[in-house]
Amino acid sequence: DAGVIQSPRHEVTEMGQEVTLRCKPISGHDYLFWYRQTMMRGLELLIYFNNNVPIDDSGMPEDRFSAKMPNASFSTLKIQPSEPRDSAVYFCASSPSRVGEAFFGQGTRLTVV
Amino acid sequence: RKEVEQDPGPFNVPEGATVAFNCTYSNSASQSFFWYRQDCRKEPKLLMSVYSSGNEDGRFTAQLNRASQYISLLIRDSKLSDSATYLCVVMIYNQGGKLIFGQGTELSVKP
Repeated sequence: DAGVIQSPRHEVTEMGQEVTLRCKPISGHDYLFWYRQTMMRGLELLIYFNNNVPIDDSGMPEDRFSAKMPNASFSTLKIQPSEPRDSAVYFCASSPSRVGEAFFGQGTRLTVV
Repeated sequence: RKEVEQDPGPFNVPEGATVAFNCTYSNSASQSFFWYRQDCRKEPKLLMSVYSSGNEDGRFTAQLNRASQYISLLIRDSKLSDSATYLCVVMIYNQGGKLIFGQGTELSVKP
């Protein structure tokens, strides 16, 4: 298995633009997590899904952020409109169960200028 | 108060030293515990799970104290390759399997 695949790896965009981050979890994993990492705040859990259903989105910072998981093999995190303070590394992770190890993608480094 | 708290460090130690990291968590419903390792500009990866009775994996020993809501990681005979950030992680079952990371403790092992 290729592991968790995220795209793009790097994204530079102008303030106000829409940004879409993509994630393909490991096949067979029931859980999918979206995290944001910054130096100041560390790894923050934004939202997570179980069997494609959002379980907890309390970490989503604002209405500008939305996430979907239309099927077991694909998820998106969208920011519209983007702001400079959204600049961070966004990680997607998947896990086979509630007690299983979480496997991370390589992350998307987002810069909003 | 953060749900998972760690001393951010950095810890600067010489090769061969023993170093200990501590972590506290606030949610008593936390059920599973882990230590992850993150190298610079890379994704976090599982180092080891933490069991109630404590567990050891080579030079690494993890301990859990549920009463005090405290987790520790001990690294013996540290190597240059141990330099990384170590993340304390808790999973909360009654919130549907929520996986919460601490901010991480940075370790730098010097020759």
